[in-house]
Amino acid sequence: EAQVTQNPRYLITVTGKKLTVTCSQNMNHEYMSWYRQDPGLGLRQIYYSMNVEVTDKGDVPEGYKVSRKEKRNFPLILESPSPNQTSLYFCASRPGLATDTQYFGPGTRLTVL
Amino acid sequence: AQSVTQLDSQVPVFEEAPVELRCNYSSSVSVYLFWYVQYPNQGLQLLLKYLSGSTLVKSINGFEAEFNKSQTSFHLRKPSVHISDTAEYFCAVSRFNDYKLSFGAGTTVTVRA
Repeated sequence: EAQVTQNPRYLITVTGKKLTVTCSQNMNHEYMSWYRQDPGLGLRQIYYSMNVEVTDKGDVPEGYKVSRKEKRNFPLILESPSPNQTSLYFCASRPGLATDTQYFGPGTRLTVL
Repeated sequence: AQSVTQLDSQVPVFEEAPVELRCNYSSSVSVYLFWYVQYPNQGLQLLLKYLSGSTLVKSINGFEAEFNKSQTSFHLRKPSVHISDTAEYFCAVSRFNDYKLSFGAGTTVTVRA
């Protein structure tokens, strides 16, 4: 089954404790992206990657890091999480241009205390 | 840069009644338009998209949207909703030959019996 998987689905952590949210897709897509969803703000892009070893900042990159060492994986790293990073996070992938259908993971609900 | 405005944050509607979700965009160049749907506790999935050709596009589950260039709008409609249409709906826009997909803030549709 074609899918985007994320882990963990739920995470409660404390300020300053480094964490990684994994994302994997099995569709051989070149483009992958991370979004955060907050009430009233919709989806805002954090980082995106157009291919292996090619990543770039989205609209709200501060406090986040990413890497793309393999085509299928695109982990999101919070080196020192803060309470304002409490949010619902989605990973997404698609073949290439924005006209392609974008596939989303199930989401990771992160709470930073 | 392009941007999207969804004019209604919440739309309550009775089962079998019609619904319209309004979306306006701003862009100085030609755009592509999308509606994504997020069912409770799930990721987003594509509902329909306008790339070119007929300005009226339809989904397999009875939704339709019309691209209106003069009014820079892409409103989503369904003549008769079901309980299962309860979800959050996101309008999105991208520019020609671009990678960036910009989302609106979302409209929550609650269908009541």
